[in-house]
Order: sequence, then structure tokens, then C-alpha cells
Amino acid sequence: AQTVTQSQPEMSVQEAETVTLSCTYDTSENNYYLFWYKQPPSRQMILVIRQEAYKQQNATENRFSVNFQKAAKSFSLKISDSQLGDTAMYFCAFRNYGGSQGNLIFGKGTKLSVKP
Amino acid sequence: NAGVTQTPKFRILKIGQSMTLQCAQDMNHNYMYWYRQDPGMGLKLIYYSVGAGITDKGEVPNGYNVSRSTTEDFPLRLELAAPSQTSVYFCASTEGEWETEAFFGQGTRLTVV
Repeated sequence: AQTVTQSQPEMSVQEAETVTLSCTYDTSENNYYLFWYKQPPSRQMILVIRQEAYKQQNATENRFSVNFQKAAKSFSLKISDSQLGDTAMYFCAFRNYGGSQGNLIFGKGTKLSVKP
Repeated sequence: NAGVTQTPKFRILKIGQSMTLQCAQDMNHNYMYWYRQDPGMGLKLIYYSVGAGITDKGEVPNGYNVSRSTTEDFPLRLELAAPSQTSVYFCASTEGEWETEAFFGQGTRLTVV
């Protein structure tokens, strides 16, 4: 069974600085998807960034980028130029490539606080 | 486009009561999911459906039931509510098994007292 581990329950960063959130996962599959979701106090789950395992190039979305290390089964999120609106819970998630279920498997989350 | 709509947003139940959490999506998605999020934890899959008339158990199905009579609706039924079911419940949908993006509802905060 796949598992996702986020080892940092809480982190804080000063506004405008850079922060990296860690995620490791365990799977025997070769093809899969990885995601970072943001959950602000409103509870809404917001997709931040996704990575297909068959792509070697790391995904980027504006200030958000990932460091995907497939052999190490590591998928960290880097947030550059942190903004107050980045304060939220961040969840790393895994999804099999195809298959009959297609559900997301989540880590426990990292609570990020951006301080002015 | 409303996306995924969950009702109610908040609910307090007494032990032993029953209720149905409603979930509707207007994107014609085939795959729908129910997750629960306990404090300090990630989301765990309760039930899922790959199309109308087809449902299956996820990781934590005990105490819940679902039905999928239409593509749009995927209600979650709690029978004989227990304090252990106090949680935030999320409904989500994807177009199919190959689609990467899941769309989430805004969640239902349920407290059982």
C-alpha cells in the first residue's frame, strides 16, 4: 500500500523569504502522480502543483516549485517570496497512474505560518 | 459552474442520530469520493464511486453508506452517529481514472455529541 509522510508538522517563515516543505512517499509503482494541496482556514482544498512521475523535469507554478527525486521517493515543495496569503496547511498527496480507484492518498500535512 | 457543492457546511448531531451529507457536481465527472479529515491528519477515503450505480469502500467505511443513482449526486449516509465520526467531510470528483486534478467541495464540519 502506498503511504505519504510529511515529517514537519509546523513551519514558519518570514514574509518574502523562501521555505521548503518535505514529503516522502512509498510505492512499488513506476508511474504515478504527486500533488501539493493548500488548505487555508476556509477549509477549501486548493491544488498548488502537480508532478507526473514519468517526467524528469521538476514542475513549477509561479512562486511554487518542487524537487522531485524519484529514486529517493522524495517530493519537496519550495515556496519563494513567501506571502501572508501562503499561510495554510499544506498536504502532499499521491495518486496511482490510472487504475480503478484513482483516489488521492494524503500525508498528515504541514502547517505553514508566514510572519510579517 | 458551481463545481462540487456540499451541504450542509456545519452540523451537530446527537449520538445515535442519523443524517445524510449531500454532494453534487455539475462537471459530468464519473469518479466521486468521500474523505474525512480528523484534526491534525490528512484526508482518508471513506467511499468512492466510478459511475452511476457503482460504489466501493475506501480505507475507513465503517459507520457509513453511500449511493450513486445519478452522475451528479453522491450522498453519504451516517447511521447511528458516534463521537468517533466527529470530523470534517470532503466530497471530491475527477473526470476519470486518468485525470489528475480532483475538485473538492468546501467540506462539512460534523460534531457528534
